Amino acid sequence: DAGVTQSPTHLIKTRGQQVTLRCSPKSGHDTVSWYQQALGQGPQFIFQYYEEEERQRGNFPDRFSGHQFPNYSSELNVNALLLGDSALYLCASSSAGTDTQYFGPGTRLTVL
Amino acid sequence: GESVGLHLPTLSVQEGDNSIINCAYSNSASDYFIWYKQESGKGPQFIIDIRSNMDKRQGQRVTVLLNKTVKHLSLQIAATQPGDSAVYFCAENKVKAAGNKLTFGGGTRVLVKP
Repeated sequence: DAGVTQSPTHLIKTRGQQVTLRCSPKSGHDTVSWYQQALGQGPQFIFQYYEEEERQRGNFPDRFSGHQFPNYSSELNVNALLLGDSALYLCASSSAGTDTQYFGPGTRLTVL
Repeated sequence: GESVGLHLPTLSVQEGDNSIINCAYSNSASDYFIWYKQESGKGPQFIIDIRSNMDKRQGQRVTVLLNKTVKHLSLQIAATQPGDSAVYFCAENKVKAAGNKLTFGGGTRVLVKP
């Protein structure tokens, strides 16, 4: 049983560029959440997707957007990248009937 | 405001001893709490959770205690092993009709000495 998968593993971008990160949830899960983890800190909630709609959002600017597909996979898009966007981006999946979120390995984004 | 924090940033433990990791939270309206373990270069791994209507829950070598009176959460690891070396996060889960999000603390690094 595959767990949560994310791609790419690492990514290097320059300021002002745009980036798309991808996530496939754990089998049987229909809800995907995205988190940003700065070095040495705990993850910060970005938003959550269920039934292809954003249903909850954290304190992140509109430069952060997402999408969920009919197969429950999800994308995180970040526009106009800033140096401060450098972080580990984590995807977590869960089932609508339960609360436990399971995390993927993350995508390490470096903005130069 | 809401916050989930930890008392000790680093904990050094002798192999075979028990570890205790503490966490304080400020929002008493949360639904339940979760402990995650994060090894270097990996995503957080679920360890154990506890509902807000419980005081104690045990898993394999781990026990979570919840003291709602003082808004304190702890994770006890029995017979700590080298593989337990990692950063441990407590997280608060606020479940709403419109979804649920995790609020994490800053983490405690556990170093197991041979």
